[in-house]
Amino acid sequence: KAGVTQTPRYLIKTRGQQVTLSCSPISGHRSVSWYQQTPGQGLQFLFEYFSETQRNKGNFPGRFSGRQFSNSRSEMNVSTLELGDSALYLCASSLGSTGGVYGYTFGSGTRLTVV
Amino acid sequence: GNSVTQMEGPVTLSEEAFLTINCTYTATGYPSLFWYVQYPGEGLQLLLKATKADDKGSNKGFEATYRKETTSFHLEKGSVQVSDSAVYFCALKVQGAQKLVFGQGTRLTINP
Repeated sequence: KAGVTQTPRYLIKTRGQQVTLSCSPISGHRSVSWYQQTPGQGLQFLFEYFSETQRNKGNFPGRFSGRQFSNSRSEMNVSTLELGDSALYLCASSLGSTGGVYGYTFGSGTRLTVV
Repeated sequence: GNSVTQMEGPVTLSEEAFLTINCTYTATGYPSLFWYVQYPGEGLQLLLKATKADDKGSNKGFEATYRKETTSFHLEKGSVQVSDSAVYFCALKVQGAQKLVFGQGTRLTINP
């Protein structure tokens, strides 16, 4: 059974550019969440989607957005990149609508470097 | 608000030593509790979980017991191996919320 797939693994972008990251959840999983991991702030929740609907959003500026498609694949977009957006972006999928009972399965992440 | 506090790292042990990584939490309601492990260059892997008070999660020799009275979920292993070297994250999820709240992580290094 394939795990959570995130593409690309590595990205280097210039300040002011925009970037789109992709996440394919485990087959049958309908919930997809995104997290940002940095050495200073640790793991912070970005947003969560279930059946194409954003159900929860973390405390990030509007430059961070996402969406989920009918096949449960999800993308997140960051516009007008800043140096501080350099981070490992992790996607997690879950079988149920609440995640707590089933747990979350994480992908290997996309390492974004903004120069 | 909801939060998780882990013991400060890094933690360095010798192979076959006993491991404890402390984790305490503050949460509204009754959260589910998790331990995740992150190996270098990788994402997070679920190590174990517990969904209600007094539940014990266990996996690969690691154990953690959900202690409601002390709001704790300490991770333990009786005999660590070099391959256990990684960063360990304690996390909680409050019922009805769609997100995990993580501790700051504890870096563990096991020396042969």
